[in-house]
This record gives sequence, C-alpha cells and structure tokens, in this order.
Amino acid sequence: RKEVEQDPGPFNVPEGATVAFNCTYSNSASQSFFWYRQDCRKEPKLLMSVYSSGNEDGRFTAQLNRASQYISLLIRDSKLSDSATYLCVVNEENSGAGSYQLTFGKGTKLSVIP
Amino acid sequence: DTAVSQTPKYLVTQMGNDKSIKCEQNLGHDTMYWYKQDSKKFLKIMFSYNNKELIINETVPNRFSPKSPDKAHLNLHINSLELGDSAVYFCASSQETSFTDTQYFGPGTRLTVL
Repeated sequence: RKEVEQDPGPFNVPEGATVAFNCTYSNSASQSFFWYRQDCRKEPKLLMSVYSSGNEDGRFTAQLNRASQYISLLIRDSKLSDSATYLCVVNEENSGAGSYQLTFGKGTKLSVIP
Repeated sequence: DTAVSQTPKYLVTQMGNDKSIKCEQNLGHDTMYWYKQDSKKFLKIMFSYNNKELIINETVPNRFSPKSPDKAHLNLHINSLELGDSAVYFCASSQETSFTDTQYFGPGTRLTVL
C-alpha cells in the first residue's frame, strides 16, 4: 500500500521562529516530490518541488533523502501568513500504466502566533 | 481569470438524491482530476482523465461517474447520495500526466448530505 506519512502537528510557533516538517513515503519507486500548502477552506496550491540536491525558495528549504525515503520542509523566520496546512505529496507511476498520480499526506497544520 | 473553476461551491442535499458537480479549466491542460477531501482532511484521488480518456479510476463506488465532454471539462455525477459522501470535492488539472507536472486545483465543492 502506498503511503505518505507526516508529522501530525499542529505546530504552534511564534513569529520569527524556524519550524521543520518531516514526511516519509513508502513507495521506493516514487518519481517526484512536492510540498503543497492548503489554507483553511481553500484548495491546495503548490509551494515547491523537492529535489535530491535540496532546494531553497526564500525562507523555505526542501530536502529529499531517497535512501531513507524522507522529505523535509524548513521554514525560517515564520510569518503570520505562513499559517496553513502543509501537505507532503509524492508522485508515483500507476503500475506501469504510463500515468502518474499524486499521493497526499494528511498534512501538518502550522499556526504562527504573534 | 479563474484557471480551474467548479460549480457549485456549496451543495446541500438529501440522502438518495442524484447530483452533479461541474469543473472547467482554461489552462489548455490535457489532464484533469477529481479528488475527495474528507472530514479528516485526507485528500485522495478519485479519477483522472487525459484528453477525455479515463486513465485513473481508484476504488470509488460506481455511484460516482465522471464525464469529460471535452478536455477542458470534467464533470462528476453522483447517484443515490449517502451520508458518507459528505466531503469537499476538488477538481484539478495538469498539462500532462507526467511525474513532474504541477497540478492546479479548483476552489472545491463542499457537499453536505443530510
């Protein structure tokens, strides 16, 4: 069974704090990895893709460890506007069918407090 | 301009009724999806269509029938609604069904079955 597991949260952090989210995935054949952000009662939106070499986008840093099947997201200098649920997402091939599908983790809720 | 739109945004109905949710994307994408997000916020794929052809059909009751009249539209018809169908249904689209493609989500349809 393909699974994506995340820290349960919620994470309540003060403004300016650094917070890290972790995620593990079960399918070693997974092809690509993402972090999506979902605000309350809104749709998920892509935050960033995750590459093996690690990648950074402003205050956000994503890391991938294929050997351990582990993905992380680090947010530095948290802002109030970072409050949301962060979804770890893995893209997997459908059993050789040539198509791919996203498998979502259940998400980790972050609340940044003034 | 809305990239992926869904109607209606809210749907409240009685058990046993039949209802439809419509989705349209103006991004020129070839692939469209339906996801269900339940009360525990777990987002799970239901169907995927590529150029009007069904490519993913997860274990979903056959009361759910997707229809794609053209590649810009993917509608979801639900027969004999049950209490457990209450959830938020998200439509999404991507350029192709490859492992690098970003999916763009619609705003969601909140279905409540009474």
